[in-house]
Amino acid sequence: GAGVSQSPSNKVTEKGKDVELRCDPISGHTALYWYRQSLGQGLEFLIYFQGNSAPDKSGLPSDRFSAERTGGSVSTLTIQRTQQEDSAVYLCASSLDRGSVYEQYFGPGTRLTVT
Amino acid sequence: DAKTTQPNSMESNEEEPVHLPCNHSTISGTDYIHWYRQLPSQGPEYVIHGLTSNVNNRMASLAIAEDRKSSTLILHRATLRDAAVYYCILRDVILGRDDKIIFGKGTRLHILP
Repeated sequence: GAGVSQSPSNKVTEKGKDVELRCDPISGHTALYWYRQSLGQGLEFLIYFQGNSAPDKSGLPSDRFSAERTGGSVSTLTIQRTQQEDSAVYLCASSLDRGSVYEQYFGPGTRLTVT
Repeated sequence: DAKTTQPNSMESNEEEPVHLPCNHSTISGTDYIHWYRQLPSQGPEYVIHGLTSNVNNRMASLAIAEDRKSSTLILHRATLRDAAVYYCILRDVILGRDDKIIFGKGTRLHILP
């Protein structure tokens, strides 16, 4: 079946512009996660949605970052007034339900370059 | 999450077994040991997980020490496609504690043809 998809695959933007990154999770998965991976760095958690519960935003690095998940499916990560340090690969993952017993399925990522 | 310690990198020859170690001396009784790997230019993928007993699946085996303070991921016959960064992660089974994954640096595995 279809896996997690993300768009665009690559995005180049100028410093100060806003960007939107999209994630389509696996159908039926109630939990959705955003991570990012900077060049040479590890994977860093950003935000997590579970059903209708309030999202866990504890990993968002600043108030320029926000995310929403509409209808319990597609999610959009928005970065306002982008900075060069925002350049990274942004990864989305989904799992059947919350909790560590459920494996997370990752998308291919969106490579964001801020010039 | 309790901390895990892995070697930065390892090398292995193609078609030979690979043993990837992980130390987790502060593991708690409700922590599961998970392994994910990340192939070049891809998102991470789940490999295997276990609690106390050794586990086998189509991708790998997981050997867990009796005191649970260490574990080893075993690839029985490495191929070039197994070259990746392998992450050993502890995740508490209690709901809400480790829903998100906290990744460490992992081990970069190089496979020599």
